[in-house]
Amino acid sequence: DAGVTQSPTHLIKTRGQQVTLRCSPKSGHDTVSWYQQALGQGPQFIFQYYEEEERQRGNFPDRFSGHQFPNYSSELNVNALLLGDSALYLCASSSPWDEQYFGPGTRLTVT
Amino acid sequence: AQSVSQHNHHVILSEAASLELGCNYSYGGTVNLFWYVQYPGQHLQLLLKYFSGDPLVKGIKGFEAEFIKSKFSFNLRKPSVQWSDTAEYFCAVNAQRYSTLTFGKGTMLLVSP
Repeated sequence: DAGVTQSPTHLIKTRGQQVTLRCSPKSGHDTVSWYQQALGQGPQFIFQYYEEEERQRGNFPDRFSGHQFPNYSSELNVNALLLGDSALYLCASSSPWDEQYFGPGTRLTVT
Repeated sequence: AQSVSQHNHHVILSEAASLELGCNYSYGGTVNLFWYVQYPGQHLQLLLKYFSGDPLVKGIKGFEAEFIKSKFSFNLRKPSVQWSDTAEYFCAVNAQRYSTLTFGKGTMLLVSP
């Protein structure tokens, strides 16, 4: 039983570019949450998707957007990248009867 | 809004020493409490969780945590640490089992052999 998977593992982008990160949830999970973990900080909630809709959103600008597909997988898109967007992006999946399980993350570096 | 405070950013211990990491949260309602661990180069893993019932919770690898409602605390303990416990530890809280987590800033634990 595969856990939460994320791709790519690492990514280097230039300021102003756009990036898409992908997440496949743990089998049986229908909810996907995205977090940003800056160096030396705890993960910060970006948004959560359930039934292909954004259910909750944290304090992140509109440059951060997402999508959930019918198979429950999800994408995180970031437009107009800034140096400050450099971080580890974590995906977590869950269900009403199970707590959140985290993927290995995607390390995004913006130069 | 929920918030989580972890008292120590860095802790250095020798093997076999006892460990206690502090965590306090701010939230007016019923909460679920978690401790996650992030070993070097690995992803976040759940150490233990509290939803309800016995406030003393036992997790994996000999860790335990005690929920003290009156103090809004959920401190992590281990009687005797090992070198392999070197990792970053995060306390987190949410209001519903599947809802978003609010994390503390983490405590980096270094255990010297």
